[in-house]
Amino acid sequence: DAGVTQSPTHLIKTRGQQVTLRCSPISGHKSVSWYQQVLGQGPQFIFQYYEKEERGRGNFPDRFSARQFPNYSSELNVNALLLGDSALYLCASSRGETESTDTQYFGPGTRLTVL
Amino acid sequence: AQSVTQPDIHITVSEGASLELRCNYSYGATPYLFWYVQSPGQGLQLLLKYFSGDTLVQGIKGFEAEFKRSQSSFNLRKPSVHWSDAAEYFCAVAPYNTDKLIFGTGTRLQVFP
Repeated sequence: DAGVTQSPTHLIKTRGQQVTLRCSPISGHKSVSWYQQVLGQGPQFIFQYYEKEERGRGNFPDRFSARQFPNYSSELNVNALLLGDSALYLCASSRGETESTDTQYFGPGTRLTVL
Repeated sequence: AQSVTQPDIHITVSEGASLELRCNYSYGATPYLFWYVQSPGQGLQLLLKYFSGDTLVQGIKGFEAEFKRSQSSFNLRKPSVHWSDAAEYFCAVAPYNTDKLIFGTGTRLQVFP
């Protein structure tokens, strides 16, 4: 079975631009979460979506937004990019069928560089 | 607030030597604990997890971890390290009834032949 897939692999943007990152979960998984990993740090939770509804949000500004589609894929949008947004953006999927802790499986990430 | 501490930023071992990576967590209730491994430029791969039951859990690639409630620890061990184990290792905790993972800052493992 295919794992979590993310696109694009790499992305270079300039300050002030907007970016959209995409994620497809493992087949049968209904929950998608997004994490930001700055170089040298552990991943930081941004959002979780389940059945197209936001289930959780981390401590990130409103420039960050996300959505989930009927096929459970997801997009992460970041507006008005700052240099500090340069990071590896990781998507993770889980079954998410109940409000309980479930194992999350990660994709390879999208490397965003903001110049 | 929940948090995870990985005291060792960088560890170097010889191939064939044993390994222990430390992880301490701060969480009021019974935690859900995970260890992930990340190779350079890659995503995270799940090594093992602890939800409940036996406090010694076995994972992939010959890794194991032991949950010690009294010490708030979940240390990762491997009896004999291989050169391919060189990577970054992350410990994470998930609060009860959420999928939100709180990660430590990671431990970089270097393996010498």
